[in-house]
Amino acid sequence: DTGVSQDPRHKITKRGQNVTFRCDPISEHNRLYWYRQTLGQGPEFLTYFQNEAQLEKSRLLSDRFSAERPKGSFSTLEIQRTEQGDSAMYLCASMGSGSSYNEQFFGPGTRLTVL
Amino acid sequence: QQQVKQSPQSLIVQKGGISIINCAYENTAFDYFPWYQQFPGKGPALLIAIRPDVSEKKEGRFTISFNKSAKQFSLHIMDSQPGDSATYFCAAVPSGSRLTFGEGTQLTVNP
Repeated sequence: DTGVSQDPRHKITKRGQNVTFRCDPISEHNRLYWYRQTLGQGPEFLTYFQNEAQLEKSRLLSDRFSAERPKGSFSTLEIQRTEQGDSAMYLCASMGSGSSYNEQFFGPGTRLTVL
Repeated sequence: QQQVKQSPQSLIVQKGGISIINCAYENTAFDYFPWYQQFPGKGPALLIAIRPDVSEKKEGRFTISFNKSAKQFSLHIMDSQPGDSATYFCAAVPSGSRLTFGEGTQLTVNP
């Protein structure tokens, strides 16, 4: 257990529905990252926050995806009008400002299945 | 565009053997190279990492070898154990930014 928690762990939804995932980073970690991992592949970067500011977004993050970190603590990732291609594991990672070695600690992930 | 290439895709070794996984990168801005271990249904867990100012780092049975001029790095697992059976990902980071992962290597250690 790294101290990063994600909720829910599993989500099954029908195509066209909206879903929201939550990530709670390690306390006082100011950087929070979202990645997506499909079966048999390495995680791919989606977006990251430093405190409440969203500093970078991947081209993978279509306009159906939105992420927030309103108080610089937990973060949410919302997918609107889900598609079958959105089925994947969504991973959250956090990193402290004092880390000089870019150590990102991952949560257990949320597995999304779109039917 | 895949910026970190990892091989082999899968690896089977006998208990007590040495497991070797290789990665190559393109972006010279990368300055931190971690390896992650992932078990089914779990998130990746940081295993060991290296910065390009050293050529080797060892932690227990795990060693990273780094060749800056060739832009290659590798993970060696000595005395491999069945409990090491997992998927291993190399990654690379430009300072303080996002991780770029390799494609992963599925390691199986037979008893």
